[in-house]
Amino acid sequence: GAVVSQHPSWVICKSGTSVKIECRSLDFQATTMFWYRQFPKQSLMLMATSNEGSKATYEQGVEKDKFLINHASLTLSTLTVTSAHPEDSSFYICSASKGIPGDEQFFGPGTRLTVL
Amino acid sequence: AQSVSQHNHHVILSEAASLELGCNYSYGGTVNLFWYVQYPGQHLQLLLKYFSGDPLVKGIKGFEAEFIKSKFSFNLRKPSVQWSDTAEYFCAVKPSGGGNKLTFGTGTQLKVEL
Repeated sequence: GAVVSQHPSWVICKSGTSVKIECRSLDFQATTMFWYRQFPKQSLMLMATSNEGSKATYEQGVEKDKFLINHASLTLSTLTVTSAHPEDSSFYICSASKGIPGDEQFFGPGTRLTVL
Repeated sequence: AQSVSQHNHHVILSEAASLELGCNYSYGGTVNLFWYVQYPGQHLQLLLKYFSGDPLVKGIKGFEAEFIKSKFSFNLRKPSVQWSDTAEYFCAVKPSGGGNKLTFGTGTQLKVEL
Protein backbone atom coordinates (compact mmCIF):
# COMPACT_ATOMS: atom_id res chain seq x y z
CA GLY A 1 0.00 0.00 0.00
CA ALA A 2 0.81 3.72 0.00
CA VAL A 3 1.80 4.14 -3.61
CA VAL A 4 2.27 7.56 -5.17
CA SER A 5 2.53 8.07 -8.91
CA GLN A 6 3.62 11.03 -10.98
CA HIS A 7 2.88 11.86 -14.56
CA PRO A 8 4.71 12.46 -16.75
CA SER A 9 7.96 10.86 -15.71
CA TRP A 10 9.84 13.21 -17.97
CA VAL A 11 8.95 16.19 -20.13
CA ILE A 12 10.80 18.46 -22.51
CA CYS A 13 9.28 21.80 -23.35
CA LYS A 14 10.16 25.07 -25.02
CA SER A 15 10.96 28.16 -23.07
CA GLY A 16 7.85 30.21 -22.35
CA THR A 17 5.42 27.32 -22.30
CA SER A 18 3.64 25.88 -19.28
CA VAL A 19 3.95 22.35 -18.02
CA LYS A 20 1.61 20.48 -15.70
CA ILE A 21 2.80 17.62 -13.49
CA GLU A 22 0.34 15.33 -11.76
CA CYS A 23 0.80 13.57 -8.46
CA ARG A 24 -1.62 10.85 -7.43
CA SER A 25 -1.99 8.72 -4.35
CA LEU A 26 -3.17 5.42 -5.75
CA ASP A 27 -4.35 3.49 -2.73
CA PHE A 28 -4.91 6.00 0.01
CA GLN A 29 -6.36 9.41 0.60
CA ALA A 30 -3.72 12.10 0.89
CA THR A 31 -4.79 14.97 3.06
CA THR A 32 -1.46 16.65 2.46
CA MET A 33 0.82 16.59 -0.52
CA PHE A 34 4.26 18.08 -0.82
CA TRP A 35 6.22 19.25 -3.83
CA TYR A 36 10.00 19.12 -3.86
CA ARG A 37 12.67 20.11 -6.29
CA GLN A 38 15.91 18.19 -6.50
CA PHE A 39 18.97 19.60 -8.20
CA PRO A 40 21.71 17.26 -9.42
CA LYS A 41 23.74 15.88 -6.54
CA GLN A 42 21.79 17.96 -4.06
CA SER A 43 19.09 17.39 -1.55
CA LEU A 44 15.35 17.74 -1.92
CA MET A 45 14.18 21.27 -1.41
CA LEU A 46 10.60 21.66 -0.31
CA MET A 47 8.73 24.01 -2.60
CA ALA A 48 5.25 23.93 -1.15
CA THR A 49 2.78 22.05 0.96
CA SER A 50 -0.76 21.57 -0.25
CA ASN A 51 -3.80 20.49 1.67
CA GLU A 52 -6.88 19.24 -0.10
CA GLY A 53 -9.33 22.02 -0.76
CA SER A 54 -7.15 24.88 0.39
CA LYS A 55 -4.40 27.07 -0.99
CA ALA A 56 -0.88 25.75 -1.00
CA THR A 57 1.69 27.06 1.44
CA TYR A 58 4.87 28.02 -0.38
CA GLU A 59 8.37 28.01 1.05
CA GLN A 60 10.34 31.20 1.17
CA GLY A 61 11.82 32.05 -2.19
CA VAL A 62 9.40 29.97 -4.24
CA GLU A 63 7.33 32.03 -6.66
CA LYS A 64 3.72 31.07 -6.19
CA ASP A 65 2.69 32.64 -9.49
CA LYS A 66 5.26 30.59 -11.32
CA PHE A 67 4.66 27.28 -9.61
CA LEU A 68 0.91 26.85 -9.41
CA ILE A 69 -0.26 24.07 -7.14
CA ASN A 70 -3.74 22.66 -7.04
CA HIS A 71 -4.92 19.95 -4.66
CA ALA A 72 -8.44 19.45 -5.89
CA SER A 73 -9.08 16.02 -4.43
CA LEU A 74 -7.73 13.67 -1.79
CA THR A 75 -5.86 11.70 -4.43
CA LEU A 76 -4.60 14.32 -6.85
CA SER A 77 -2.35 17.33 -6.71
CA THR A 78 -0.94 19.17 -9.70
CA LEU A 79 2.08 21.41 -10.13
CA THR A 80 2.05 23.75 -13.12
CA VAL A 81 5.28 25.43 -14.07
CA THR A 82 4.15 28.55 -15.90
CA SER A 83 6.24 30.30 -18.54
CA ALA A 84 9.03 27.82 -18.03
CA HIS A 85 12.64 28.87 -18.52
CA PRO A 86 15.81 26.78 -18.73
CA GLU A 87 16.61 27.51 -15.09
CA ASP A 88 13.39 25.69 -14.16
CA SER A 89 14.87 22.47 -15.51
CA SER A 90 15.05 20.10 -12.60
CA PHE A 91 13.70 16.96 -11.03
CA TYR A 92 10.34 17.54 -9.36
CA ILE A 93 9.18 15.09 -6.73
CA CYS A 94 5.89 14.93 -4.93
CA SER A 95 5.03 13.14 -1.74
CA ALA A 96 1.80 12.42 0.01
CA SER A 97 0.80 12.01 3.60
CA LYS A 98 -2.31 10.45 5.04
CA GLY A 99 -2.64 13.35 7.39
CA ILE A 100 -2.13 11.41 10.56
CA PRO A 101 0.09 13.56 12.80
CA GLY A 102 3.65 12.35 12.51
CA ASP A 103 2.89 10.01 9.65
CA GLU A 104 5.55 9.40 7.04
CA GLN A 105 5.50 10.82 3.56
CA PHE A 106 5.24 8.50 0.58
CA PHE A 107 7.19 9.67 -2.41
CA GLY A 108 6.44 9.60 -6.09
CA PRO A 109 9.04 8.59 -8.67
CA GLY A 110 9.67 12.16 -9.77
CA THR A 111 9.35 14.11 -13.02
CA ARG A 112 12.38 15.24 -14.98
CA LEU A 113 11.64 18.63 -16.58
CA THR A 114 13.92 19.96 -19.28
CA VAL A 115 13.23 23.40 -20.65
CA LEU A 116 14.94 24.21 -23.93
CA ALA B 1 13.96 26.31 11.74
CA GLN B 2 15.48 22.89 11.68
CA SER B 3 18.48 21.83 9.60
CA VAL B 4 20.20 18.55 8.80
CA SER B 5 23.85 17.84 8.07
CA GLN B 6 25.22 14.77 6.38
CA HIS B 7 28.97 15.03 6.42
CA ASN B 8 29.77 12.09 4.17
CA HIS B 9 28.90 13.07 0.62
CA HIS B 10 30.42 10.07 -1.09
CA VAL B 11 31.27 6.73 0.45
CA ILE B 12 32.82 3.77 -1.31
CA LEU B 13 32.89 0.40 0.39
CA SER B 14 33.65 -3.15 -0.53
CA GLU B 15 30.98 -5.79 -0.09
CA ALA B 16 30.73 -7.12 3.48
CA ALA B 17 32.24 -3.96 4.93
CA SER B 18 30.40 -2.21 7.72
CA LEU B 19 28.62 1.05 7.06
CA GLU B 20 27.98 4.09 9.17
CA LEU B 21 26.58 7.28 7.69
CA GLY B 22 26.49 10.36 9.82
CA CYS B 23 23.48 12.60 10.33
CA ASN B 24 23.28 15.56 12.67
CA TYR B 25 20.34 17.86 13.06
CA SER B 26 19.75 21.25 14.55
CA TYR B 27 16.48 22.04 16.27
CA GLY B 28 15.50 23.31 19.69
CA GLY B 29 12.67 20.91 20.38
CA THR B 30 11.75 17.27 20.01
CA VAL B 31 11.99 15.76 16.57
CA ASN B 32 11.04 12.83 14.45
CA LEU B 33 13.90 11.43 12.38
CA PHE B 34 13.97 9.51 9.13
CA TRP B 35 16.36 7.83 6.75
CA TYR B 36 15.31 7.51 3.14
CA VAL B 37 17.07 5.64 0.35
CA GLN B 38 16.97 6.39 -3.36
CA TYR B 39 18.19 3.55 -5.55
CA PRO B 40 19.37 4.48 -9.04
CA GLY B 41 16.39 5.43 -11.15
CA GLN B 42 13.91 4.83 -8.38
CA HIS B 43 11.89 6.93 -5.99
CA LEU B 44 12.66 7.67 -2.37
CA GLN B 45 11.84 4.87 0.02
CA LEU B 46 11.68 4.96 3.78
CA LEU B 47 14.40 2.90 5.44
CA LEU B 48 13.50 3.61 9.03
CA LYS B 49 12.13 6.25 11.34
CA TYR B 50 12.34 7.31 14.93
CA PHE B 51 9.47 8.93 16.75
CA SER B 52 9.94 7.96 20.40
CA GLY B 53 10.96 5.07 22.64
CA ASP B 54 13.96 2.87 22.02
CA PRO B 55 16.61 5.09 20.43
CA LEU B 56 17.96 2.15 18.44
CA VAL B 57 15.68 1.74 15.46
CA LYS B 58 15.64 -1.23 13.14
CA GLY B 59 14.69 -0.70 9.53
CA ILE B 60 14.35 -2.66 6.35
CA LYS B 61 17.15 -4.52 4.61
CA GLY B 62 19.25 -4.88 7.75
CA PHE B 63 19.70 -1.16 8.39
CA GLU B 64 19.50 0.40 11.81
CA ALA B 65 20.00 3.86 13.26
CA GLU B 66 20.65 5.18 16.71
CA PHE B 67 19.22 8.42 18.01
CA ILE B 68 21.62 10.10 20.42
CA LYS B 69 19.79 13.09 21.76
CA SER B 70 22.80 14.63 23.48
CA LYS B 71 24.69 14.65 20.19
CA PHE B 72 21.72 15.59 17.99
CA SER B 73 22.67 12.64 15.86
CA PHE B 74 20.88 9.86 14.03
CA ASN B 75 23.56 7.80 12.33
CA LEU B 76 22.66 5.00 9.96
CA ARG B 77 24.45 1.67 10.24
CA LYS B 78 24.61 -1.68 8.54
CA PRO B 79 27.02 -4.40 9.67
CA SER B 80 27.67 -5.83 6.22
CA VAL B 81 26.80 -4.02 3.01
CA GLN B 82 25.89 -5.60 -0.29
CA TRP B 83 26.39 -4.40 -3.84
CA SER B 84 22.63 -3.81 -3.99
CA ASP B 85 22.94 -1.19 -1.26
CA THR B 86 24.48 1.18 -3.79
CA ALA B 87 22.19 4.17 -3.60
CA GLU B 88 21.81 7.66 -2.24
CA TYR B 89 20.82 7.97 1.40
CA PHE B 90 19.00 10.95 2.86
CA CYS B 91 18.50 11.82 6.48
CA ALA B 92 15.44 13.93 7.28
CA VAL B 93 13.96 15.59 10.32
CA LYS B 94 10.69 17.15 11.30
CA PRO B 95 9.50 18.71 14.53
CA SER B 96 7.38 16.19 16.38
CA GLY B 97 3.76 17.20 16.55
CA GLY B 98 4.30 20.01 14.08
CA GLY B 99 2.79 18.82 10.87
CA ASN B 100 4.58 16.67 8.35
CA LYS B 101 7.07 19.09 6.81
CA LEU B 102 10.41 17.33 6.35
CA THR B 103 13.83 18.91 6.11
CA PHE B 104 16.34 16.79 4.24
CA GLY B 105 20.08 16.54 4.45
CA THR B 106 22.18 16.83 1.32
CA GLY B 107 22.42 13.08 0.93
CA THR B 108 25.24 10.55 0.89
CA GLN B 109 26.06 8.66 -2.25
CA LEU B 110 27.07 5.12 -1.33
CA LYS B 111 28.84 2.90 -3.80
CA VAL B 112 29.45 -0.70 -2.89
CA GLU B 113 32.07 -2.48 -4.93
CA LEU B 114 32.22 -6.19 -5.53
